[in-house]
Amino acid sequence: GGIITQTPKFLIGQEGQKLTLKCQQNFNHDTMYWYRQDSGKGLRLIYYSITENDLQKGDLSEGYDASREKKSSFSLTVTSAQKNEMAVFLCASSIDRGLTGNTLYFGEGSRLIVV
Amino acid sequence: QEKVQQSPESLIVPEGAMVSLNCSFSDSASQSIWWYQQHPGKGPKALISIFSNGNKKEGRLTVYLNRASLHVSLHIKDSQPSDSAVYLCAVSGGSNYKLTFGKGTLLTVTP
Repeated sequence: GGIITQTPKFLIGQEGQKLTLKCQQNFNHDTMYWYRQDSGKGLRLIYYSITENDLQKGDLSEGYDASREKKSSFSLTVTSAQKNEMAVFLCASSIDRGLTGNTLYFGEGSRLIVV
Repeated sequence: QEKVQQSPESLIVPEGAMVSLNCSFSDSASQSIWWYQQHPGKGPKALISIFSNGNKKEGRLTVYLNRASLHVSLHIKDSQPSDSAVYLCAVSGGSNYKLTFGKGTLLTVTP
């Protein structure tokens, strides 16, 4: 079996700071995702990537950048951290390759704290 | 845009009880429906999915899909304290890559 590793587990930054979250997967999956999870709200898609160097915006991409330089890694940058975006950020991957309804495999999440 | 609503928001049951969780969605063209389980401090883990109208059974889990009423339910037989978690319903729409998640149901199974 594979694993998705997110670093860091906790990221503390100041308001206005640029902060980066990293994600690595060893499933050899094509597609990777970044979701944001706020208390009381569903998971919301920020960015996804269907292959190396591809980037697709999700519903919540404003204020974020993403980068997929290798098939196994996907990073997310908060361009200017705000206190109202303290949340858990979840990375996921799936096989896809044009098939419908593939399982998403998630990492354990990174919690963003803005002071 | 697809909307996914789950009920109840939370549920407390004794060990051994049958648990029923509900999910309604807005788009009749939705493809697969997934149930994910999330324990505190962990990422969601896929439990079971369904595409066709009807039901699907895997172990203690049974899922029922009724496309006409845009409703899916998850039933957990003989619930255990280890089943205590948040259960997320997720619906895949026209795009292969976008899952829309509900807010989740918090299940607590008491020993």
